Amino acid sequence: GIQVEQSPPDLILQEGANSTLRCNFSDSVNNLQWFHQNPWGQLINLFYIPSGTKQNGRLSATTVATERYSLLYISSSQTTDSGVYFCAVDPNAGNMLTFGGGTRLMVKP
Amino acid sequence: DSGVTQTPKHLITATGQRVTLRCSPRSGDLSVYWYQQSLDQGLQFLIQYYNGEERAKGNILERFSAQQFPDLHSELNLSSLELGDSALYFCASTSSGGWTGELFFGEGSRLTVL
Repeated sequence: GIQVEQSPPDLILQEGANSTLRCNFSDSVNNLQWFHQNPWGQLINLFYIPSGTKQNGRLSATTVATERYSLLYISSSQTTDSGVYFCAVDPNAGNMLTFGGGTRLMVKP
Repeated sequence: DSGVTQTPKHLITATGQRVTLRCSPRSGDLSVYWYQQSLDQGLQFLIQYYNGEERAKGNILERFSAQQFPDLHSELNLSSLELGDSALYFCASTSSGGWTGELFFGEGSRLTVL
């Protein structure tokens, strides 16, 4: 099956810093989503982005489908951004997602 | 609040027992997905239902089964429980009436098998 690798596995930032999280996948996809799992375990959808670029406030994401990677940018990080960020893909257009291992982010005040 | 409701939030039971997890999708969503999050396997897709019919199966054990009822709520049944079944079980639904697009997760049911 498709492989999804996320980097870095862990990231510690000072509040206000910017960061870039990367997701590489081993095959072409028709569905790619980014999720944030907060410290209470809730999984929150950040972006549905099989290709192109999207922005939502301090977050933005870019997927280059032809090169099989996606990037999640977090600007002016806040302590509430802490948690685990997951990239998930489906080679088809459905939502039978394969998740990466996640990037654990800690933002310090 | 994603609009996906799961009960119970926490469940503690013993090996060999059977439990049922319940999920109500967002209003208007016809697709329901079940995912399992465990320390050793990470997040993995179990099964999908669309408008009452099973549509896709992932890494779901034979001891596990699910169904979606006419009112679109879904139940995941876990039987002959083993210690390794301890995990966070998520239900999710997809926006619109289809099965693609953004996936919205419930808060999960945390199962502990002792």
